[in-house]
This record gives sequence, structure tokens and C-alpha cells, in this order.
Amino acid sequence: QQQVKQSPQSLIVQKGGIPIINCAYENTAFDYFPWYQQFPGKGPALLIAIRPDVSEKKEGRFTISFNKSAKQFSLHIMDSQPGDSATYFCAASSPGGYQKVTFGTGTKLQVIP
Amino acid sequence: DAGVTQSPTHLIKTRGQQVTLRCSPKSGHDTVSWYQQALGQGPQFIFQYYEEEERQRGNFPDRFSGHQFPNYSSELNVNALLLGDSALYLCASSLGENTEAFFGQGTRLTVV
Repeated sequence: QQQVKQSPQSLIVQKGGIPIINCAYENTAFDYFPWYQQFPGKGPALLIAIRPDVSEKKEGRFTISFNKSAKQFSLHIMDSQPGDSATYFCAASSPGGYQKVTFGTGTKLQVIP
Repeated sequence: DAGVTQSPTHLIKTRGQQVTLRCSPKSGHDTVSWYQQALGQGPQFIFQYYEEEERQRGNFPDRFSGHQFPNYSSELNVNALLLGDSALYLCASSLGENTEAFFGQGTRLTVV
């Protein structure tokens, strides 16, 4: 059962472009929504996270937009760079168990010079 | 400051065998979780250990078991290996059960 749906599966943008990755969830008990970045051969690294009481959060070039009523959230990467090429996972977890993270299926991003 | 360390990095086992994977949490962390990441997929939660007890478990069969030691390190054991158990096994640690998890680089298990 896929509780966090992620799209697109892959994405190619030019340097300086703004890739957008979208996610949707079903479980209304989720209240913590992290995004992870994973490079080949490495474990996922926490990039940015949001809780449903805010609609937007920015950290550097990364922005999360959150729509609680639609149960959707998205990641925008401003001024993307070739070094941002990686697989991005949206995720969600519930109170009392933030270690039990439900991941999306991932988006492989390629930023071409 | 060492992050989450896992050993070994790669492992090849034969179907039907048993395997033990090891994890040392980030310094100061006391909670460890294990995930299975199949090729091209997102990680899937196996179980979480806190205070040497299994606290939460994902949808994995009893062939998957674990242990947490007094120094907070952890082991993941998989019995009766199947070809489908081939995956990257990730360990994550945190301080307590409700803070962000830091992931290790994983152990790549290949079952032949």
C-alpha cells in the first residue's frame, strides 16, 4: 500500500531551472513531512522538512509548499545546479514514531550544464 | 563526529543462508531503525529499537529480526534468505523516538 505518492519518476532540467517534485499522502495522521536527497551509493540525507501548520518553508535554494486540505506537498529547487543531480524522496511520519518514515517512490533529478 | 556507520558495506549470500548486518548510531543517539531499499525504490521501514526493545515494526516477516545492545548499536538478522531480499539495508539513528533520523550509507546485500 503506497501511502505517499510521488511524481514525476524522473526529471531533467537545465542549470538555473526550477525543478518541482510533487507528493500526495492519504494518512491524515501524518504530521511531519521531510524531504531526503540521495546520491548513488549513499544513504538518504535530510534536506528540509515541514509540519502541516505552515504552508511554505524555505531553506537556501530549497522550498517546500504544503497544502493541508489537498493533502499535497511539493519541493522546489531554485537556481538548480549540476551538483543537485540526485534522487529525491518525499516522506511522512506520524506523532509518536518519527523514526517510522514512509517514503515516496523517488524522483531522479538530472541537472544538465 | 562519526555519523551512522554500517558494516559490512557489501555482502553476497546464497539463498537459504542467514545474514547479520551491524550498525553503530551517531554519537549521542539512542534510537536505531532499519530500512530496506530495493533498487529504484524508496526505503521501507523494517523496525525500530529503543531501550533495547523493538518499538515499532513494518510489514516484514519474522525472518527479519534485530537486536539493540546497551551501547545502542544494533544488528539486523535475516534468516532463510530469498532472492527478493537483495537490497540496500539502511540504518538510521536519532536521539529519542521523535527527532529526525540520520541515515548511514547502507549495506548492499546480494542474494544469489
